[in-house]
Formats: sequence, C-alpha cells, structure tokens
Amino acid sequence: DIVMTQTPLSSPVTLGQPASISCRSSQSLVHSDGNTYLSWLQQRPGQPPRLLIYKISNHFSGVPDRFSGSGAGTDFTLKISRVEAEDVGIYYCMQATHFPYTFGQGTKLEIK
Amino acid sequence: EVQLVESGGGLVQPGGSLRLSCAASGFIFSSYWMHWVRQVPGKGLLWVSRTNSDGSTTTYADSVKGRFTISRDNAKNTLYLQMNSLRAEDTAVYYCARWSGYYGGMDVWGQGTTVTVSS
Repeated sequence: DIVMTQTPLSSPVTLGQPASISCRSSQSLVHSDGNTYLSWLQQRPGQPPRLLIYKISNHFSGVPDRFSGSGAGTDFTLKISRVEAEDVGIYYCMQATHFPYTFGQGTKLEIK
Repeated sequence: EVQLVESGGGLVQPGGSLRLSCAASGFIFSSYWMHWVRQVPGKGLLWVSRTNSDGSTTTYADSVKGRFTISRDNAKNTLYLQMNSLRAEDTAVYYCARWSGYYGGMDVWGQGTTVTVSS
C-alpha cells in the first residue's frame, strides 16, 4: 500500500498567519492517465471530512482562495495564506492513484 | 441539496453482523461510484470499499475482504455495507462518500454512522 506521511502532525498557528502542511507519498502518484490523484480534505471538529483541493492544486467548489495546493510526484503541500478561526480542524491528504486508496495520518491545525 | 445519510450503526458483539445503509438524494445516484471510509474515534481515515455505478464491480480493503460486502440499489438510491464476522478493530465511524470522476476525489460525504463491536 502507498504510505502517505504528513508533517507536522500538529500545527499551532496565530490567527492571520500562514500555515503549511506537507504530504509525502511512498511512490509517485502520477497515474497512467497523466493525472495525479492527490486531494486534501478538511475535517472540522465533530464533522465529516470535506474535499478542499483535488488533483494537487484545484479548488473544490466553495473553498476559499486562502487555501492552495502544490507539488508533484511524491511531495505535496497545502498552504493556508492567512489562518482564520473556522480553519481549525484536521487536514488529510489522500491518494487515489493506486489501490487501495490511502490517507495521511492527519495534521491538527489549532489556534495559538 | 446533494446529501448522503448513513444509518444502521450500533452496538454488536464480536462475530456478529450489521448492515449499514447510505441514502442518497439531490443527485443522480446511479451515475456515481460510491465508497465506504471508516474512522476509528480520534484516529485517521481508512478506505474500506467501493462499488461502480451499477454495482457490478466491487473492491475491498484487505482488512475487510471476505467479511464485508458492498452493494447498492439504484432504484432506492441507497448504498449498503453488509458487515459480517465483526471484530473489535472494526469499531469506527463509517462514512459513505461519492466519487467524482471529474474531480478525481470524494466530493460528497455523509455524516457517518457509528459501529461499536464489543461484548
């Protein structure tokens, strides 16, 4: 199985400051169809996961512009340009290039 | 409104069975692949199973293969997960999720249903 490793596992951030989460996969996530099926999910406390970013860098509907995704191959990053209170939660990267689909361990974003 | 609503969770003894349901609304259910993902309380996400749009193709995580069966009734807009030979380690919140081929990701998630396997 593809192992997805996220760092850090916890990220205390001051409101209005940027945050960055790294996700590294044990194998390249480039699919034979040319796409890279790496997405980012947000899980607010007591809520189900929610799709934020798909195929590395594309915003899902309704996701604020302060979220951005980047990367290629095996290294990916989620950035929040200015953290707001509603961003508190756990962020997961997920790969859907190889079966079984796998998730990172999650990064807990909290406000300092 | 696009929505997925799970039901059927509960407390079951080890070795027992449970059937989860996921009722879909607000979209053409029969056009989408569907997945089950679980989450042990306080832990991360684990993909469990998927089915294609007409239910003819199914895939399972190794940890549930041979014990769980995913199915769907497109006439009822409902996805199912039949869970047999349940173990303590199957205790989790179970989410159903819609797969979007366009987005290449799970774009709609239900609220989840809790399964507790304990004597």
